[in-house]
Amino acid sequence: KAGVTQTPRYLIKTRGQQVTLSCSPISGHRSVSWYQQTPGQGLQFLFEYFSETQRNKGNFPGRFSGRQFSNSRSEMNVSTLELGDSALYLCASSLQDMNTEAFFGQGTRLTVV
Amino acid sequence: GENVEQHPSTLSVQEGDSAVIKCTYSDSASNYFPWYKQELGKRPQLIIDIRSNVGEKKDQRIAVTLNKTAKHFSLHITETQPEDSAVYFCAANGGGYQKVTFGIGTKLQVIP
Repeated sequence: KAGVTQTPRYLIKTRGQQVTLSCSPISGHRSVSWYQQTPGQGLQFLFEYFSETQRNKGNFPGRFSGRQFSNSRSEMNVSTLELGDSALYLCASSLQDMNTEAFFGQGTRLTVV
Repeated sequence: GENVEQHPSTLSVQEGDSAVIKCTYSDSASNYFPWYKQELGKRPQLIIDIRSNVGEKKDQRIAVTLNKTAKHFSLHITETQPEDSAVYFCAANGGGYQKVTFGIGTKLQVIP
């Protein structure tokens, strides 16, 4: 069974640009969550999608958005990039919700210069 | 919303000793408490979890205890080995389909 796949693995962007990250969950998993990981802040929750609907949202500005497709694949978009957006972005998939084991992808390392 | 505090932020133990990491949560509706281990450069992976209807759970050298009244839960690792060196995250949900909130993480170093 294939694990959670995130693409791309690494990205370098310039301030003001936008970026789209992709996450393919484990087959059969319907819940996809996104996290921002930075050294001093741990794992910060961005949002969760279930059946193409955003079910939960963290405390991030509107520049961070996402969506989920009918095959449960999810994308995350960050517009007007800032230096502080540099981080490892992790997605995690679960069968139904985050009350069961979440399987994380390898992450996308975003560097904003 | 849920707030999870985790202590200590770093922990060094001698190989063979025990390690304890403690977390507190704020939302009394939380009913699911997972622990994730993240080795350097790797993805977080679930090592153990506990639900609010259970006070303790063990899996070989790892155990988790939950005190609902005090709203705190702890991870216990016995007979530590160098491969236990990693960052450990505790987490709590807010009940129902609420998001899972993670603690800040504890960097555990097991010294051979």
